Amino acid sequence: KQEVTQIPAALSVPEGENLVLNCSFTDSAIYNLQWFRQDPGKGLTSLLLIQSSQREQTSGRLNASLDKSSGRSTLYIAASQPGDSATYLCAVIGATNKLIFGTGTLLAVQP
Amino acid sequence: GAGVSQTPSNKVTEKGKYVELRCDPISGHTALYWYRQSLGQGPEFLIYFQGTGAADDSGLPNDRFFAVRPEGSVSTLKIQRTERGDSAVYLCASSSNGGMRDEQFFGPGTRLTVL
Repeated sequence: KQEVTQIPAALSVPEGENLVLNCSFTDSAIYNLQWFRQDPGKGLTSLLLIQSSQREQTSGRLNASLDKSSGRSTLYIAASQPGDSATYLCAVIGATNKLIFGTGTLLAVQP
Repeated sequence: GAGVSQTPSNKVTEKGKYVELRCDPISGHTALYWYRQSLGQGPEFLIYFQGTGAADDSGLPNDRFFAVRPEGSVSTLKIQRTERGDSAVYLCASSSNGGMRDEQFFGPGTRLTVL
Protein backbone atom coordinates (compact mmCIF):
# COMPACT_ATOMS: atom_id res chain seq x y z
CA LYS A 1 0.00 0.00 0.00
CA GLN A 2 1.39 3.37 -1.03
CA GLU A 3 2.23 5.73 1.82
CA VAL A 4 3.39 9.31 1.44
CA THR A 5 5.29 11.15 4.15
CA GLN A 6 6.18 14.83 4.28
CA ILE A 7 8.88 16.32 6.42
CA PRO A 8 8.88 18.69 8.19
CA ALA A 9 5.26 18.95 9.33
CA ALA A 10 5.74 22.67 9.94
CA LEU A 11 8.39 25.18 9.02
CA SER A 12 8.89 28.85 9.86
CA VAL A 13 11.47 30.91 8.01
CA PRO A 14 12.32 34.61 7.63
CA GLU A 15 11.48 36.30 4.37
CA GLY A 16 14.11 35.88 1.67
CA GLU A 17 15.35 32.45 2.70
CA ASN A 18 15.59 29.56 0.30
CA LEU A 19 13.91 26.44 1.62
CA VAL A 20 13.34 22.78 0.84
CA LEU A 21 10.27 20.68 1.54
CA ASN A 22 10.60 16.91 1.48
CA CYS A 23 8.26 14.17 0.33
CA SER A 24 8.86 10.44 0.39
CA PHE A 25 6.77 7.55 -0.88
CA THR A 26 7.00 3.82 -0.24
CA ASP A 27 6.09 2.38 -3.66
CA SER A 28 8.25 3.62 -6.54
CA ALA A 29 5.77 2.38 -9.18
CA ILE A 30 4.23 5.80 -9.78
CA TYR A 31 3.12 7.57 -12.94
CA ASN A 32 3.52 11.09 -11.68
CA LEU A 33 3.93 13.25 -8.60
CA GLN A 34 2.15 16.54 -7.97
CA TRP A 35 2.91 19.33 -5.54
CA PHE A 36 -0.04 21.40 -4.36
CA ARG A 37 -0.51 24.52 -2.32
CA GLN A 38 -3.47 24.90 0.04
CA ASP A 39 -4.38 28.19 1.71
CA PRO A 40 -6.45 28.05 4.92
CA GLY A 41 -10.04 27.08 4.20
CA LYS A 42 -9.38 26.78 0.48
CA GLY A 43 -9.02 24.06 -2.13
CA LEU A 44 -5.82 22.78 -3.72
CA THR A 45 -3.80 24.72 -6.27
CA SER A 46 -1.54 22.58 -8.43
CA LEU A 47 2.02 23.93 -8.42
CA LEU A 48 4.05 21.38 -10.33
CA LEU A 49 3.52 17.96 -11.87
CA ILE A 50 6.48 15.68 -12.53
CA GLN A 51 6.01 12.68 -14.78
CA SER A 52 7.76 9.49 -13.69
CA SER A 53 10.24 9.80 -16.55
CA GLN A 54 11.26 13.31 -15.52
CA ARG A 55 13.80 14.39 -12.91
CA GLU A 56 12.57 17.91 -12.22
CA GLN A 57 10.15 20.67 -13.08
CA THR A 58 10.48 24.41 -12.58
CA SER A 59 7.97 27.21 -12.34
CA GLY A 60 9.19 30.64 -11.34
CA ARG A 61 10.77 30.43 -7.88
CA LEU A 62 9.69 26.80 -7.48
CA ASN A 63 11.70 23.75 -8.45
CA ALA A 64 10.57 20.21 -7.80
CA SER A 65 12.80 17.18 -8.19
CA LEU A 66 11.91 13.52 -8.35
CA ASP A 67 14.07 10.49 -7.58
CA LYS A 68 11.65 7.66 -8.28
CA SER A 69 14.01 4.84 -7.44
CA SER A 70 14.60 6.13 -3.93
CA GLY A 71 11.02 7.28 -3.45
CA ARG A 72 11.80 10.92 -2.84
CA SER A 73 10.81 14.35 -4.09
CA THR A 74 11.81 17.81 -2.95
CA LEU A 75 10.18 21.17 -3.50
CA TYR A 76 12.66 24.02 -3.49
CA ILE A 77 11.34 27.55 -2.95
CA ALA A 78 13.78 30.34 -3.71
CA ALA A 79 13.71 33.74 -2.05
CA SER A 80 10.65 33.00 0.05
CA GLN A 81 7.98 35.68 0.52
CA PRO A 82 5.20 36.07 3.12
CA GLY A 83 2.71 35.26 0.35
CA ASP A 84 4.24 31.79 0.14
CA SER A 85 2.78 30.96 3.56
CA ALA A 86 0.43 28.01 3.10
CA THR A 87 0.28 24.23 3.45
CA TYR A 88 2.19 22.35 0.77
CA LEU A 89 0.99 18.88 -0.14
CA CYS A 90 2.61 16.27 -2.30
CA ALA A 91 0.71 13.44 -3.92
CA VAL A 92 1.59 10.48 -6.11
CA ILE A 93 -0.49 8.51 -8.55
CA GLY A 94 0.09 4.91 -9.54
CA ALA A 95 -1.76 2.10 -11.26
CA THR A 96 -4.79 2.59 -9.01
CA ASN A 97 -5.36 5.99 -10.69
CA LYS A 98 -6.01 7.83 -7.46
CA LEU A 99 -3.88 10.50 -5.85
CA ILE A 100 -2.28 9.44 -2.56
CA PHE A 101 -1.45 12.47 -0.45
CA GLY A 102 0.96 13.22 2.32
CA THR A 103 -0.23 15.16 5.36
CA GLY A 104 1.47 18.34 4.21
CA THR A 105 4.03 20.86 5.41
CA LEU A 106 2.68 24.05 6.98
CA LEU A 107 4.97 26.88 5.89
CA ALA A 108 5.08 30.29 7.53
CA VAL A 109 7.31 32.96 6.01
CA GLN A 110 7.89 35.77 8.47
CA PRO A 111 8.19 39.33 7.10
CA GLY B 1 -16.33 27.03 -16.87
CA ALA B 2 -12.80 28.13 -16.23
CA GLY B 3 -12.20 25.76 -13.36
CA VAL B 4 -13.80 23.15 -11.14
CA SER B 5 -16.64 24.59 -9.08
CA GLN B 6 -18.35 23.12 -6.02
CA THR B 7 -21.53 24.05 -4.24
CA PRO B 8 -22.29 24.83 -1.53
CA SER B 9 -19.03 26.16 -0.16
CA ASN B 10 -20.23 25.47 3.36
CA LYS B 11 -22.91 23.14 4.63
CA VAL B 12 -24.00 22.78 8.24
CA THR B 13 -26.42 19.99 9.03
CA GLU B 14 -27.69 18.02 11.97
CA LYS B 15 -26.79 14.45 12.73
CA GLY B 16 -29.05 12.06 10.86
CA LYS B 17 -29.90 14.41 8.00
CA TYR B 18 -29.30 13.85 4.27
CA VAL B 19 -26.96 16.11 2.29
CA GLU B 20 -25.99 16.55 -1.35
CA LEU B 21 -22.75 18.11 -2.50
CA ARG B 22 -22.35 19.22 -6.10
CA CYS B 23 -19.31 19.34 -8.37
CA ASP B 24 -19.02 21.01 -11.79
CA PRO B 25 -15.84 19.82 -13.54
CA ILE B 26 -13.83 21.67 -16.14
CA SER B 27 -15.76 21.63 -19.39
CA GLY B 28 -14.78 18.67 -21.54
CA HIS B 29 -13.05 16.72 -18.77
CA THR B 30 -14.19 13.12 -18.83
CA ALA B 31 -12.76 12.06 -15.46
CA LEU B 32 -14.06 13.28 -12.11
CA TYR B 33 -12.76 12.45 -8.63
CA TRP B 34 -14.07 13.00 -5.11
CA TYR B 35 -11.72 13.25 -2.12
CA ARG B 36 -12.33 13.95 1.56
CA GLN B 37 -9.99 15.96 3.76
CA SER B 38 -10.22 15.79 7.54
CA LEU B 39 -8.62 18.46 9.69
CA GLY B 40 -4.84 18.30 9.61
CA GLN B 41 -4.76 15.48 7.09
CA GLY B 42 -4.16 15.15 3.38
CA PRO B 43 -7.11 14.43 1.12
CA GLU B 44 -8.24 10.81 0.82
CA PHE B 45 -9.78 9.28 -2.27
CA LEU B 46 -13.49 8.46 -2.28
CA ILE B 47 -14.64 7.71 -5.85
CA TYR B 48 -13.63 8.20 -9.47
CA PHE B 49 -15.89 8.55 -12.52
CA GLN B 50 -14.92 8.00 -16.12
CA GLY B 51 -17.83 9.48 -18.06
CA THR B 52 -21.08 8.48 -16.43
CA GLY B 53 -19.83 5.36 -14.70
CA ALA B 54 -18.05 4.95 -11.39
CA ALA B 55 -14.74 3.37 -12.36
CA ASP B 56 -13.58 3.00 -8.76
CA ASP B 57 -15.67 3.56 -5.63
CA SER B 58 -13.33 1.73 -3.26
CA GLY B 59 -12.78 4.83 -1.12
CA LEU B 60 -16.40 5.32 -0.09
CA PRO B 61 -16.38 4.64 3.66
CA ASN B 62 -19.75 2.88 3.88
CA ASP B 63 -23.12 2.54 2.19
CA ARG B 64 -24.33 5.90 3.50
CA PHE B 65 -22.19 7.50 0.82
CA PHE B 66 -23.23 7.48 -2.82
CA ALA B 67 -22.26 9.53 -5.87
CA VAL B 68 -23.73 9.95 -9.34
CA ARG B 69 -22.76 11.58 -12.59
CA PRO B 70 -25.77 10.91 -14.83
CA GLU B 71 -24.75 12.94 -17.88
CA GLY B 72 -21.00 12.64 -17.60
CA SER B 73 -20.51 16.20 -16.42
CA VAL B 74 -21.89 17.41 -13.07
CA SER B 75 -21.55 15.01 -10.17
CA THR B 76 -23.41 14.86 -6.88
CA LEU B 77 -22.07 13.24 -3.72
CA LYS B 78 -24.89 12.11 -1.47
CA ILE B 79 -24.57 11.31 2.22
CA GLN B 80 -27.44 9.71 4.10
CA ARG B 81 -27.97 9.71 7.87
CA THR B 82 -25.01 12.01 8.43
CA GLU B 83 -22.78 11.43 11.43
CA ARG B 84 -20.46 13.84 13.24
CA GLY B 85 -17.50 11.90 11.85
CA ASP B 86 -18.55 12.89 8.33
CA SER B 87 -17.48 16.47 9.07
CA ALA B 88 -14.67 17.30 6.65
CA VAL B 89 -13.88 19.22 3.49
CA TYR B 90 -15.09 17.37 0.41
CA LEU B 91 -12.95 18.09 -2.63
CA CYS B 92 -13.73 17.42 -6.25
CA ALA B 93 -11.19 17.19 -9.05
CA SER B 94 -11.33 16.60 -12.78
CA SER B 95 -8.85 15.57 -15.44
CA SER B 96 -9.03 15.60 -19.20
CA ASN B 97 -9.10 11.87 -19.90
CA GLY B 98 -8.66 10.10 -16.59
CA GLY B 99 -5.28 8.75 -17.55
CA MET B 100 -2.78 8.08 -14.81
CA ARG B 101 -0.46 10.71 -16.28
CA ASP B 102 -3.14 13.40 -16.46
CA GLU B 103 -3.04 16.33 -14.09
CA GLN B 104 -5.96 16.60 -11.70
CA PHE B 105 -7.46 20.06 -11.12
CA PHE B 106 -9.24 20.68 -7.85
CA GLY B 107 -12.24 22.74 -6.88
CA PRO B 108 -12.45 24.93 -3.76
CA GLY B 109 -14.18 22.22 -1.74
CA THR B 110 -17.33 22.00 0.35
CA ARG B 111 -16.84 22.23 4.10
CA LEU B 112 -19.40 19.93 5.73
CA THR B 113 -20.13 20.30 9.43
CA VAL B 114 -22.41 17.80 11.11
CA LEU B 115 -23.66 18.98 14.49
